Amino acid sequence: GNSVTQMEGPVTLSEEAFLTINCTYTATGYPSLFWYVQYPGEGLQLLLKATKADDKGSNKGFEATYRKETTSFHLEKGSVQVSDSAVYFCALSDVHNNNDMRFGAGTRLTVKP
Amino acid sequence: GAGVSQTPSNKVTEKGKYVELRCDPISGHTALYWYRQSLGQGPEFLIYFQGTGAADDSGLPNDRFFAVRPEGSVSTLKIQRTERGDSAVYLCASSLEIGTSGSNEQFFGPGTRLTVL
Repeated sequence: GNSVTQMEGPVTLSEEAFLTINCTYTATGYPSLFWYVQYPGEGLQLLLKATKADDKGSNKGFEATYRKETTSFHLEKGSVQVSDSAVYFCALSDVHNNNDMRFGAGTRLTVKP
Repeated sequence: GAGVSQTPSNKVTEKGKYVELRCDPISGHTALYWYRQSLGQGPEFLIYFQGTGAADDSGLPNDRFFAVRPEGSVSTLKIQRTERGDSAVYLCASSLEIGTSGSNEQFFGPGTRLTVL
């Protein structure tokens, strides 16, 4: 079945450092890929998405490119801020599988000033 | 309301009791999903409704779990004979009707934190 594997955390960075959180997926069809973020004490929020191969999702300085050849959707940000501290979830959904979302285990990011 | 709402926000119960968790989706969203998020884990799919019917309940862990959506809007997740292992955050999400291509973004509620003592 469909599944997502993402880099284990926690990740601790200094402010303005470069961030990469790896995510790879397994899917039988052509899923859409997502990054969700969960800030402390808040619910899940969509950060960015990509619906087909080679699409790049971007938001708030974060980017991720849908790579079909490597089945990956790595999250990157060039310069992190303290306010980016949160848990990040990679996820996929497949319209041929009721669109239910399959999540990775989450990666906790802490950015120190 | 503007987003998905869930009630209660917190529920503490004793082992063996029955609980109901409620989800109010975004108005006009025909698809509704329930997920369970255990501590330190990603959300795990439980059940999906398209309209009033459960189109996929393959994620429900056992027959103590049941969900309904009688009028195609509000949904209730019901857990019988609760066990300590049921303690988790239960998330609800809604989206527009399932399309045949592209993504249908799911909007998540804040969750209900269930604690079984």
